[in-house]
Amino acid sequence: QSALTQPPSASGSPGQSVTISCTGTNSDVGGYNYVSWYQQHPGKAPKLMIYEVSKRPSGVPDRFSGSKSGNTASLTVSGLQAEDEADYYCSSYAGSNYSPFGGGTKLTVL
Amino acid sequence: EVQLVQSGAEVKKPGESLKISCKGSGYRFTTYWIGWVRQMPGKGLEWMGIIYPSDSDTRYSPSFQGQVTISADKSITTAYLQWSSLKASDTAMYYCARGWAAVISATWGVHAFDIWGQGTMVTVSS
Repeated sequence: QSALTQPPSASGSPGQSVTISCTGTNSDVGGYNYVSWYQQHPGKAPKLMIYEVSKRPSGVPDRFSGSKSGNTASLTVSGLQAEDEADYYCSSYAGSNYSPFGGGTKLTVL
Repeated sequence: EVQLVQSGAEVKKPGESLKISCKGSGYRFTTYWIGWVRQMPGKGLEWMGIIYPSDSDTRYSPSFQGQVTISADKSITTAYLQWSSLKASDTAMYYCARGWAAVISATWGVHAFDIWGQGTMVTVSS
């Protein structure tokens, strides 16, 4: 059982926006502004998409955005494209140099 | 180019030992943490543990404490993940990743992984 809860699946049509949630507790998501999001295509290594709740590494399209409210963090993908279809994982700092992952969300572009 | 290159796929029998590697290049190896992440077939990512190669400071997830050993040799910019006695349930893809750390609540904490290795598939079967 993952420390962080994500919906197993999400979907949207090309051009639409979709939001994926990541729910934790006040000991992880709610307690620190250190939430990150990863994209993983089948057979590939994960890729960092968002760090520190809402910052994007160089090269990540601005269609990807992150936010947080209380114990829930969110990843929003705007202007959905076919290549956005992938698994997405959140991670949050939880103290003691430990940052567990969520269970993952499979994003389908219809 | 900053990269982490992992050792190749392994097929082992239950009870055997194994050590897989992750070689960093293109950056100062001793100034970033290295983490290990497990992904069992068809499942999600699991944070196993991290090591700071400069002084070999190591932290394990409670789920993996005592099950694996993480080490590093800074002279050859390589981190390792090892098992003393493999089980069938260790069958998984294992990723190493470079960790970003910040001072969080007055201590250093790794909060994200920015560079990932290609993964090492470990299969344990009799």
